[in-house]
Amino acid sequence: NAGVTQTPKFRILKIGQSMTLQCTQDMNHNYMYWYRQDPGMGLKLIYYSVGAGITDKGEVPNGYNVSRSTTEDFPLRLELAAPSQTSVYFCASSYSGRAFFGQGTRLTVV
Amino acid sequence: KQEVTQIPAALSVPEGENLVLNCSFTDSAIYNLQWFRQDPGKGLTSLLLIQSSQREQTSGRLNASLDKSSGRSTLYIAASQPGDSATYLCAVSETSGSRLTFGEGTQLTVNP
Repeated sequence: NAGVTQTPKFRILKIGQSMTLQCTQDMNHNYMYWYRQDPGMGLKLIYYSVGAGITDKGEVPNGYNVSRSTTEDFPLRLELAAPSQTSVYFCASSYSGRAFFGQGTRLTVV
Repeated sequence: KQEVTQIPAALSVPEGENLVLNCSFTDSAIYNLQWFRQDPGKGLTSLLLIQSSQREQTSGRLNASLDKSSGRSTLYIAASQPGDSATYLCAVSETSGSRLTFGEGTQLTVNP
């Protein structure tokens, strides 16, 4: 049972570049989330989705975009990378209030 | 706006000690509270989930309590081991599918 899978695990971007962080889950959960975690901090919500075709902004959505065309996949897009987006990104899904997290993507913008 | 605070930010104890991690939240209208473990460079692993109607949950050496009216939860770890060294995060949700609001975590070190 794979759970929540994120790719890539690590990435270095130059300022202004774009990339997509991939997230897929095999538990058929409707709810999915993207969080970022900065050093010594808790997790902050970027975007979330309550089902295929439905997405909404979280606390810190600026500079990011998402789509949810299937139940399984919830990719996060960075269009113009900035140093402030250097962080660890976690994707999660939930069912009945219990959340399951991926292993994270460590992104550095230089 | 819900805010979650964890005290202490860091804790170092000798092996075998019993310890308590604290979590407080500002809005008592929660659906559930979860405790997670995070190892360095890894994702979050759910340890215990307490529904708003429950007072506590237990798993092995871990016991989590919830006092919703006072906005507090504690995670009790019995007979701590070096393998318990990690960051422990608590998070609350306001509905079954809503986002989790996280505390900043307690970094625990258990010394052999």
